Parts: sequence; C-alpha cells; structure tokens
Amino acid sequence: ETGVTQTPRHLVMGMTNKKSLKCEQHLGHNAMYWYKQSAKKPLELMFVYSLEERVENNSVPSRFSPECPNSSHLFLHLHTLQPEDSALYLCASSQDLVQPQHFGDGTRLSIL
Amino acid sequence: GESVGLHLPTLSVQEGDNSIINCAYSNSASDYFIWYKQESGKGPQFIIDIRSNMDKRQGQRVTVLLNKTVKHLSLQIAATQPGDSAVYFCAENIRGGSNYKLTFGKGTLLTVNP
Repeated sequence: ETGVTQTPRHLVMGMTNKKSLKCEQHLGHNAMYWYKQSAKKPLELMFVYSLEERVENNSVPSRFSPECPNSSHLFLHLHTLQPEDSALYLCASSQDLVQPQHFGDGTRLSIL
Repeated sequence: GESVGLHLPTLSVQEGDNSIINCAYSNSASDYFIWYKQESGKGPQFIIDIRSNMDKRQGQRVTVLLNKTVKHLSLQIAATQPGDSAVYFCAENIRGGSNYKLTFGKGTLLTVNP
C-alpha cells in the first residue's frame, strides 16, 4: 500500500472514446503529478499541481486534460487519443514540491 | 539537453551477493538525487535520496554514493534477496524555479538468482 491509489488499473479504449483516470492520495500531501511511462523510455512528467493549482504543463497535447478538485484527488481526462498514447500513466504525490514523490501503481492504457 | 543515464541496462546477481547499480548525470547544477525501485506491475517506490552536500548516505541494506567530481551516482544493495529483483531508476533534480522537475534515467533491471 503506497498511499496513492489509481483507478482503473487497466483501460482499453478506442480513439474516439472519452475516459478519465483517477488518482487519490491518503498521505496528506499538497502536490500531485501525472507521469507517462512508455516502454524503454524514461518517465515523462506531464502535469504538476500544488495546492490545487496547476504549476506545470509539460508540453502535453490538449487531448489530455488534468483536473485537481482538491489536494487529495487528481484526474486525467482523455479524449481522441492516438495509438502512441498507449502507456502506463502514473500518479505521484509529495508533501510539497521539493519533497520526494510517492507513486501509485499506475493505469495501463491501451488505445485501439 | 541534460540527461540522466545508466551504465548497464541489466544486472544479474546471486542471492546473498552485494549489488551495485550505477548512474551518470551530466548537469553539474543537479543537487538532489533519488533512487526508485519498480517491481513488475507496480509504480516506482522511493528507496533513498541524497543531496549534493553529502557523498554517502545509508539506509536499510542500501547505500547511495555520490561522486560529484565525475557526476556519478551508485546504489549498493547488501545481501541481495530475490525480493530485490526489479527495475531501479535514478532521478536528479536541478535547483531553480522548478524544484519538482525530476529527470529520470531509463532504469536498470536487477535480477537476483536463488
């Protein structure tokens, strides 16, 4: 149990579908992150929220839309995705922006 | 651009042996480093971190060594166990306006043979 829970664990969707990934942290942290992990590539930072304000959008296509309604929850809304978007999407949280990040177990996303 | 790299993509050791996983970084401004362990089907798990004002830090069965002269970081695992089999990532953080921007390496796969 990492304290960061991601749902669903697996998701298969077509390119025209709309879906959302959910992340919840039970650690009392103030910062949350979305990362993309593709095979044979380093982790790629996508978005960062601190105290529910977005502080980073790392050149991510607009077909990915994050939402942070409170400091414990983070969503990633997906629409019109491409096959190259198939990857493991990881959520992380940290006490603040300079403390170590703690990761969830990810959502394995497959785009048909 | 700056990058964090790993010397070996795979490492195979016998149970009970010590393991050493290496990492090179290229940005001399990096001043904070983290090691993560990622088991199959799970997310990265924090192992240990070190700041640039230190050259060694020890945890439970793990030691991180930092050599700023040659920009090299290593993770030593003592008495390696089958449960240590995983991919190990190093990550660096560059001080500045974006303290949260960790740059990750691709990872080293550690396999522990019983």
